[in-house]
Amino acid sequence: NAGVTQTPKFQVLKTGQSMTLQCAQDMNHEYMSWYRQDPGMGLRLIHYSVGAGITDQGEVPNGYNVSRSTTEDFPLRLLSAAPSQTSVYFCASSRTQLRPEAFFGQGTRLTVV
Amino acid sequence: GQQVMQIPQYQHVQEGEDFTTYCNSSTTLSNIQWYKQRPGGHPVFLIQLVKSGEVKKQKRLTFQFGEAKKNSSLHITATQTTDVGTYFCAGVFGNEKLTFGTGTRLTIIP
Repeated sequence: NAGVTQTPKFQVLKTGQSMTLQCAQDMNHEYMSWYRQDPGMGLRLIHYSVGAGITDQGEVPNGYNVSRSTTEDFPLRLLSAAPSQTSVYFCASSRTQLRPEAFFGQGTRLTVV
Repeated sequence: GQQVMQIPQYQHVQEGEDFTTYCNSSTTLSNIQWYKQRPGGHPVFLIQLVKSGEVKKQKRLTFQFGEAKKNSSLHITATQTTDVGTYFCAGVFGNEKLTFGTGTRLTIIP
């Protein structure tokens, strides 16, 4: 059982470049979310989705886009990378929004130079 | 927005000593969850507390949810090197999404 799979694990971008972080889950979970983790800041919610076709903003959405065309996939797009987006990104899924025990992917360490 | 405050930010203990981390919210929580993140790893779910005053145990770990459902604690008895990591609480306000605390990084001195 793969659980939540994130790719890539590491990425270096130049300022202004765009890229997509991939996230897929095979648990048929309705709820998926993206977090960024910075030292001393805990996990901050970027965007989330309560089901296919539905997305909403979290605490720090600026500079990021998401879409949810299928239950399984929830990609995160960086539109024009900035050094402030250097962080570790985690994708998570839960059975439903009201059953929020979250299963996390392995994370993507992103550096923007 | 609604926040969950967690203290301390860091804790260094001798192996065998106890460890406690605390979470506080200014508003009532629907439930609170605890996660552990090993160095270089991802957060892993430990437990969820839902009821006022609830206490749950997992071996050497004791989790408590306050009577007012605004605070919670995680206590580890007789720490071991395998306990190293960052412990996060995450609160749910109403039917909303998880809000994570800033975490407590636990290091063990052998």
